[in-house]
Amino acid sequence: QQQVKQSPQSLIVQKGGISIINCAYENTAFDYFPWYQQFPGKGPALLIAIRPDVSEKKEGRFTISFNKSAKQFSLHIMDSQPGDSATYFCAASFNKFYFGSGTKLNVKP
Amino acid sequence: DTAVSQTPKYLVTQMGNDKSIKCEQNLGHDTMYWYKQDSKKFLKIMFSYNNKELIINETVPNRFSPKSPDKAHLNLHINSLELGDSAVYFCASSQEGQGVGGELFFGEGSRLTVL
Repeated sequence: QQQVKQSPQSLIVQKGGISIINCAYENTAFDYFPWYQQFPGKGPALLIAIRPDVSEKKEGRFTISFNKSAKQFSLHIMDSQPGDSATYFCAASFNKFYFGSGTKLNVKP
Repeated sequence: DTAVSQTPKYLVTQMGNDKSIKCEQNLGHDTMYWYKQDSKKFLKIMFSYNNKELIINETVPNRFSPKSPDKAHLNLHINSLELGDSAVYFCASSQEGQGVGGELFFGEGSRLTVL
């Protein structure tokens, strides 16, 4: 049973466009929601994270939107660049991390 | 200087063999983990150690045995390898346990291929 559901599985965006990846969870005990970025041949690395007492967090071109009542959160990448092409994982944490299934983002030049 | 390093990066072996993957972190973290990433990129935790003590042991076949000689090292030994063990295994560490939302620092992964 997957605790965190992520969509879409893959995403193609033109350079300069907005990339949006969505995640949903069921367990209201989750209290930390990070996004990890993974390049081919590398391990995942923390990109940005949010706690449920905040509805939005922005770091540069990356924004997390969090909807506690809907139990959903999303990653928005503004002005997407080819260098953003990677696999993105959402996660939710309570006593351990539960990862989404990943979204492979391809930003076309 | 690599924060979380794991060796070997690639492993190709026959079914039934035994293999080990080593992991070391130089971040001074108390908690270390092993994750498995399958061919569909799904990341699943296998084990978690806090200061050499086993904290999380997911439903993993007992052919997998982690060992933590000290808090900077966490090794993974796999007995009687099966085709389904083929995956990328990631070591990770964090300053705090996962329960407080500590950032995970991952190694570059060890790709295991069982023929």
